[in-house]
Amino acid sequence: AQTVTQSQPEMSVQEAETVTLSCTYDTSENNYYLFWYKQPPSRQMILVIRQEAYKQQNATENRFSVNFQKAAKSFSLKISDSQLGDTAMYFCAFTQGNTGNQFYFGTGTSLTVIP
Amino acid sequence: DTEVTQTPKHLVMGMTNKKSLKCEQHMGHRAMYWYKQKAKKPPELMFVYSYEKLSINESVPSRFSPECPNSSLLNLHLHALQPEDSALYLCASSQAPGRVANYGYTFGSGTRLTVV
Repeated sequence: AQTVTQSQPEMSVQEAETVTLSCTYDTSENNYYLFWYKQPPSRQMILVIRQEAYKQQNATENRFSVNFQKAAKSFSLKISDSQLGDTAMYFCAFTQGNTGNQFYFGTGTSLTVIP
Repeated sequence: DTEVTQTPKHLVMGMTNKKSLKCEQHMGHRAMYWYKQKAKKPPELMFVYSYEKLSINESVPSRFSPECPNSSLLNLHLHALQPEDSALYLCASSQAPGRVANYGYTFGSGTRLTVV
């Protein structure tokens, strides 16, 4: 069974500062993918970043980057130069590689960016 | 068109009512999903449709009845709901069944359902 754990229910960060959200997962699969989704008050889940487990290089999307530690089963999200629009619920998610048809979500981290 | 459109955005219904939630996408995606989300909780998978056929039903009570009339449309029919069914209902689609990893989901904005 796959499990995804986010140990920080709530976090806050000053505007323009950097924040890191933690995520750990447990799986016996070798081929899998990890995602971070953002859910602002508008409710829509928005894909932030995606990491393929077989790639050692950490994924980066503009101000968002991940620290993927496969042996430790850790997948943290770093947000640089935080902006007010980054205020949202952030969910870490796991899916199997070749046959995955659903996500396993973590419990979420509520991030508030303070002006 | 890169959106998943859900209607209505808000719905209040009594426990004896029958209502339907609608989800539409025109991206050519062949897998569609219903999720239920309680406040400050992650989404919980309810149903998966692959090529218009129900492929996963996560032991959802029969008062929730999904329907996929065509590849662009997904409905969720509601009947005799309970107050604890009040939640945000999210629809999502992905390009191909079993290929969620490559493309992820596109989510709709959800329907906020309140059962009174």
